Amino acid sequence: AQSVSQHNHHVILSEAASLELGCNYSYGGTVNLFWYVQYPGQHLQLLLKYFSGDPLVKGIKGFEAEFIKSKFSFNLRKPSVQWSDTAEYFCAVNPLGGYQKVTFGTGTKLQVIP
Amino acid sequence: EPEVTQTPSHQVTQMGQEVILRCVPISNHLYFYWYRQILGQKVEFLVSFYNNEISEKSEIFDDQFSVERPDGSNFTLKIRSTKLEDSAMYFCASSPVTPRDQPQHFGDGTRLSIL
Repeated sequence: AQSVSQHNHHVILSEAASLELGCNYSYGGTVNLFWYVQYPGQHLQLLLKYFSGDPLVKGIKGFEAEFIKSKFSFNLRKPSVQWSDTAEYFCAVNPLGGYQKVTFGTGTKLQVIP
Repeated sequence: EPEVTQTPSHQVTQMGQEVILRCVPISNHLYFYWYRQILGQKVEFLVSFYNNEISEKSEIFDDQFSVERPDGSNFTLKIRSTKLEDSAMYFCASSPVTPRDQPQHFGDGTRLSIL
C-alpha cells in the first residue's frame, strides 16, 4: 500500500518569502503524484500533477514541484508567496492508472503574513 | 469547466439516524469515489465505484456504509445508524476511465455533523 509523508505541519511565512513544502511517498511501483490546495472554507483544488515526463512540473498560481525518483520525493515550491496563498496543502499519490484511490498526506497549513 | 457537485453542503443529524449524502459526478466520468476528512486529520479514502459495483473500499467502509448510483447522474453515500465519530467532511470525486492521465476531480464536500 502507498503512503505519503509531509514533514511540515504548519508553516508561517512573510509575503515575498520563498516556499518549499516537503513530501515523500512510499510505494513499490510507478505512481502519479499530486499537490492539492484547500483554501479556508473551500474544496480541494488540484494545484499540479505529475504523471510522466519532465520531473519539474509547473502548476497554477506560480507553484511548481520536482519529482526526484531516487528520493521518493515531490516537493512543492514557490519563489515568492502572497497572502492569498494562505491555505492547507496536501501532497497525494495514486498508483499508475489514474482511477485508483488517492492517498493523501496529512497536509501542511501555510500561513502567509502580509 | 465541469464540476462535481455535492448536496447538501452541511447536514446535521441525530446520532443513530440514517443519512444520505448526494453527489453528481462530471457527466462523462465513470469512476466515482468517496473520501472523508475528520476535522484536523488528513483526507482518507472510503470507496471507489465503477460499472455499478464497488471496485475498492477501505477498512473504514464497513457495513454501516453503502453506495449507490440510483440513476444516470447521482452517486450517493448512505450511512446507517450514524455515530458521533462519523462527523467529518465527506468529499465525492470522479474521474474518467480514459484518458488515463487525468486526476480525480473533487466536489466541495458535505460537512456532516452528528449530534
